[in-house]
Formats: sequence, C-alpha cells, structure tokens
Amino acid sequence: QVQLVQSGAEVKKPGASVKVSCKASGYTFTSYYMHWVRQAPGQGLEWMGIINPSGGSTSYAQKFQGRVTMTRDTSTSTVYMELSSLRSEDTAVYYCARGPRYWGQGTLVTVSS
Amino acid sequence: QLVLTQSPSASASLGASVKLTCTLSSGHSSYAIAWHQQQPEKGPRYLMKLNSDGSHSKGDGIPDRFSGSSSGAERYLTISSLQSEDEADYYCQTWGTGPWVFGGGTKLTVL
Repeated sequence: QVQLVQSGAEVKKPGASVKVSCKASGYTFTSYYMHWVRQAPGQGLEWMGIINPSGGSTSYAQKFQGRVTMTRDTSTSTVYMELSSLRSEDTAVYYCARGPRYWGQGTLVTVSS
Repeated sequence: QLVLTQSPSASASLGASVKLTCTLSSGHSSYAIAWHQQQPEKGPRYLMKLNSDGSHSKGDGIPDRFSGSSSGAERYLTISSLQSEDEADYYCQTWGTGPWVFGGGTKLTVL
C-alpha cells in the first residue's frame, strides 16, 4: 500500500532554514509527481510546489519562489522540501502528497525566537 | 483564474443529511475536483474525486454515506446519516496545468 512517512516536528529561529523529508513506499517512486502543501494554524491548505522524482524538475508557487527548494533521492525514495529565511508566518504543518489521494502525516514546523 | 469557492460553515443534525457545495470559477466548469475531510488535529483525508458529469471514485474505506454530484460549475458532497465523527472541515481541490487550487474549506458542525 502507498505510504508517505514524513520527518518529525521542528522548531527553528527566524532566519533559519528547515528541511522536511517524505519517504515513499508501496509504489514506483519515480512514476508519480510529489506535491508539498502547508497549513498554518487555523487556516486552509496552501500549495507550495511540485517535484518530478524521475528527473528532479520542480515548479514552485510564486509566493515561495527563491525561498523553497524541493529535491529527491531516488536511492531512498525520499523527497525533501527546504524552506529558508524562515519567519513566524511560516509556522505551519507541512504535508507531502502524491496526487490528491495520498498524503503524508504532516510535519509541524514552528518558527519562534 | 482558477478559483474554488466554499461556504465557510454548515450545520446539520445527527442522523440527518447535509450537502456541501464547491463552486468552480467562470470558464472552469468542466474541471474535476477532489473532496477532502479534515477532522480536528488530523491531516486531510481523501474522500473522492468528482468529475463534471457527477461520476466519482471514492478513497479506500470511505463509507457509502458519502457521495458526490455535479451540476454545471457546482460540485457537491452529500453526507447522509450524519454521525458525530463527521464534524470536520471539508476542502475541495482542483488542478489544471499549473498549481493545485484549494477552496477555503467548509466547517461542518453536527448538532
């Protein structure tokens, strides 16, 4: 069965970077794009970007251009999302998702001084 | 611009039915959407993909109480025989050639 397992919660200071991982299993990793979505406390879902695990190409939401980097490691079937220059507004739960059907469990990133 | 519009809140009584609406922006009435349920303190749970003709494919383990239908630019999620655990936020989502788009979500209260 398809499983997406994300890394654990993080606490970061403003200006720092965070790197969240998402390990996929139960399917051919390189056959499906992976999306990243975040949800700030009490807010809705916000799409951040997409990575093609096959070639590594990416496309990011304009809001995050220049601050987000999505990468993948095909040897471990893992995708990564790194967000830099963190500010308090980046406090959110970050999800990876393979299509609308399969989601990771979420990773809480807290940005606080 | 591709936009999804949802009412912020809805309520219905235990055991009753409720119909939630997601409206696609002008020019996008042929788009399929997905419905997701998000219970308090949990991640999104995929309910179904809903096509413009009303056909839908549900996720694993989604009860028959959940069904979808379409009319023009409107996409509906109907929940029958409401249970307390149906109290949650419901999001619709769509996709074009660009980014995913989410509706603002509907908070469903079961009275």
